[in-house]
Parts: sequence; C-alpha cells; structure tokens
Amino acid sequence: AQKITQTQPGMFVQEKEAVTLDCTYDTSDPSYGLFWYKQPSSGEMIFLIYQGSYDQQNATEGRYSLNFQKARKSANLVISASQLGDSAMYFCAMREGQAAGNKLTFGGGTRVLVKP
Amino acid sequence: DAGVTQSPTHLIKTRGQQVTLRCSPKSGHDTVSWYQQALGQGPQFIFQYYEEEERQRGNFPDRFSGHQFPNYSSELNVNALLLGDSALYLCASIYDRVGRYTFGSGTRLTVV
Repeated sequence: AQKITQTQPGMFVQEKEAVTLDCTYDTSDPSYGLFWYKQPSSGEMIFLIYQGSYDQQNATEGRYSLNFQKARKSANLVISASQLGDSAMYFCAMREGQAAGNKLTFGGGTRVLVKP
Repeated sequence: DAGVTQSPTHLIKTRGQQVTLRCSPKSGHDTVSWYQQALGQGPQFIFQYYEEEERQRGNFPDRFSGHQFPNYSSELNVNALLLGDSALYLCASIYDRVGRYTFGSGTRLTVV
C-alpha cells in the first residue's frame, strides 16, 4: 500500500485565491511527522511546513497552513492568497518514528499553476 | 551561509559506466541523506550517512554506494549504470530535532 497518496496530479488556481492540496498517509507507528515541500523548476526541495503526530494544533507558517485530521489520516496543505511564485510541484512526505534522522517517504506530488 | 551544495549539476553517462556525485551539507549539519527522483515522481530514499557510516538504506541495489568524510561531505557512487538510473539525485541534511531537511538543487544524471 502507498504510504503517502496525493490524488491531484495538477491544479490551476487564480492569483490571490486559496488552494488546498490533498495528502493522505498510512502508518501504524503512533509517532510520525508530516512535511510539505515545494519544488520549483530549479529542482531544490523547499521546506514549507511540519506537523507532528502528537501536535494538538494545526501547523501554520505564514501563508501555509496544514489541515491535520488524524483519524482520517489526512494532512492537507492550504495556501492562502496564491502568488505567481507559488507555481511549482508540491510534495507531501512522512517520517515514521521519533528519530529526527529517519527517512522521508514522499508522495507523487501535485503540480500547481497560478494564473494571473 | 551556504545551504546544501551538490556537484556536478548535470551529467551524461553511458550504460555500464560508473558515476560519483558529491554533496556538501549545510554548515554544522552532520547527517546526510540521498534521494533519487525519477521524472514525474516523488523522491525515493537511497541511504543516509552519519558519523561516516551508512545508518539507513532504502530499497536500492548494491550498485548504489556512498561515503561520508570527516567534514560531513558525502559522495554517492553508482556502478554499472542502467538507463533507469536516469534521474535527479538530491542530497539533504537535517537541520533540527524534528527532522526538517535542507535539500540541495540536485544532480541531473542522464544515462544514454
């Protein structure tokens, strides 16, 4: 079974509007971390936001927020007030276990194109 | 402060050849991980080095090997290259206790 599933291969969003990117995950480990990364055409993966499995509040980082629904095993990324520079690939990833050095498992990604 | 730097940025090799990719982690970062990203897919974990030893390994054959030096820099070696090894190879270092990674811009390897 896929550990990280991103069901939206591509999305268009109007500039200044909000967009939600879906991510579901599968793990039996009670301790895990969920990450979202942005990958522009340059190739570098840019960290956006992190949610720990024991965190009580949904994570927020500027225009990025994470809608964490633990029972449903979903961790959707919300980008508010989209900008042209937000056009990129977005990847959801999971780290299983408590050790910070554990590997990340990535989903297949969602391509976002922001229209002016 | 430089982030994670990788070299070379692009590389073209012939099937059967061997290749070495290099990575310098962000200053002070002692753990380095390597990922392979095929076109149109998410990155896949290859292995991780800490204290000059391989600590974790993903589902990759022994043709993929690595090394970490005392200054924390790392190399990824791939022997007997196959066409399917064509991908973007990303190096990452961990920068905090929750496991946030800083990634380099990658090396684009094309095998012909």
